[in-house]
Amino acid sequence: AQKVTQAQTEISVVEKEDVTLDCVYETRDTTYYLFWYKQPPSGELVFLIRRNSFDEQNEISGRYSWNFQKSTSSFNFTITASQVVDSAVYFCALSGRSWGKLQFGAGTQVVVTP
Amino acid sequence: NAGVTQTPKFRVLKTGQSMTLLCAQDMNHEYMYWYRQDPGMGLRLIHYSVGEGTTAKGEVPDGYNVSRLKKQNFLLGLESAAPSQTSVYFCASSYSKGTSGEIITYNEQFFGPGTRLTVL
Repeated sequence: AQKVTQAQTEISVVEKEDVTLDCVYETRDTTYYLFWYKQPPSGELVFLIRRNSFDEQNEISGRYSWNFQKSTSSFNFTITASQVVDSAVYFCALSGRSWGKLQFGAGTQVVVTP
Repeated sequence: NAGVTQTPKFRVLKTGQSMTLLCAQDMNHEYMYWYRQDPGMGLRLIHYSVGEGTTAKGEVPDGYNVSRLKKQNFLLGLESAAPSQTSVYFCASSYSKGTSGEIITYNEQFFGPGTRLTVL
């Protein structure tokens, strides 16, 4: 069975602070995919990143960066210099070799105050 | 392109009533999924489809039925709504790369805007 754990329920920061969201996963598949989605207050789900299990390179996209560590089964997400627009629920998700079905974590609510 | 659309956006039902949620995608994706989102639980897969005419159960299928008669549409039905089915429902679509004999890679899912359903 696959499992995704996002232990942080809510993180509150002041604008311009950095914030790191933790994601720990469990899977028996040797090939799998990890994702992060953002859900702003408007409710839609916005795709942020997809990472293959055989690609452990970290990635940076603007103020966003992701740290994938297979040895600890973690795929953490950092927002640098947070802004109010970053306030949202962030979901980590995992899919294996079975038709792309996603197993979501419970989500982390990020609140950025001015 | 509209992407993934869902109708209706909101609905209130009484216990025992039935309804159908419609999901449509215009990206020619093979795979379609229905999830429900409840507070503190993330999204959970209800049913999914890997192609026209095929459906399969996900993690929480009880009380729901689905059909995919056309590639672009995926319908979610509630035959006899219960208060436990009060939730936000999301439809998603996706695609894969690779053919028989190759490693198939699965790509990100594109989500619809959601349907907020309340069952009284």
